[in-house]
Amino acid sequence: DVKVTQSSRYLVKRTGEKVFLECVQDMDHENMFWYRQDPGLGLRLIYFSYDVKMKEKGDIPEGYSVSREKKERFSLILESASTNQTSMYLCASRSTGLMNTEAFFGQGTRLTVV
Amino acid sequence: RKEVEQDPGPFNVPEGATVAFNCTYSNSASQSFFWYRQDCRKEPKLLMSVYSSGNEDGRFTAQLNRASQYISLLIRDSKLSDSATYLCVTDTGGFKTIFGAGTRLFVKA
Repeated sequence: DVKVTQSSRYLVKRTGEKVFLECVQDMDHENMFWYRQDPGLGLRLIYFSYDVKMKEKGDIPEGYSVSREKKERFSLILESASTNQTSMYLCASRSTGLMNTEAFFGQGTRLTVV
Repeated sequence: RKEVEQDPGPFNVPEGATVAFNCTYSNSASQSFFWYRQDCRKEPKLLMSVYSSGNEDGRFTAQLNRASQYISLLIRDSKLSDSATYLCVTDTGGFKTIFGAGTRLFVKA
């Protein structure tokens, strides 16, 4: 059974804190993604990575950074959390090479910044 | 302009109805197309891929029109369990996957 696991389902952090969201996949996928999902806006791509130590900005990278030191792990970092980063964060992974490959999602982390 | 646009709905339909969702995409380099389903408070899951010739999976039919950059999903004989948000998805070859904001469907008895 394929799996993408996010380290926390719910997090509450204070404004200004540095926040780490962890994601691990067991499918040996090359590509990993971080999205945030907000009502009416859908899923918006923050960053993606197509290989170890490689990263590309998505549509809304401001205020975020990422780390991919190992193929199975992709971390999202909020350098200094702000209230407008309160959201649902979803990690996904996907293989490369074939067309129409499925993206598998983690269960999501609901982050509240107070 | 968003790269993938969908009517947010909600669509409220009775059981047994046929309902259609549409989606437009702006990036002509898009290579792959999908419909995902997301239940309330759950992660998105793949419903079906969309192929150029159109494809069917049981009660679900997907169509792609590359010239108009348009994707559709048709659900026949709607069930209560079809109630969910349907996400239109495109990508440019696996590196950048773009999701639409989703269309909400409520099927009522």
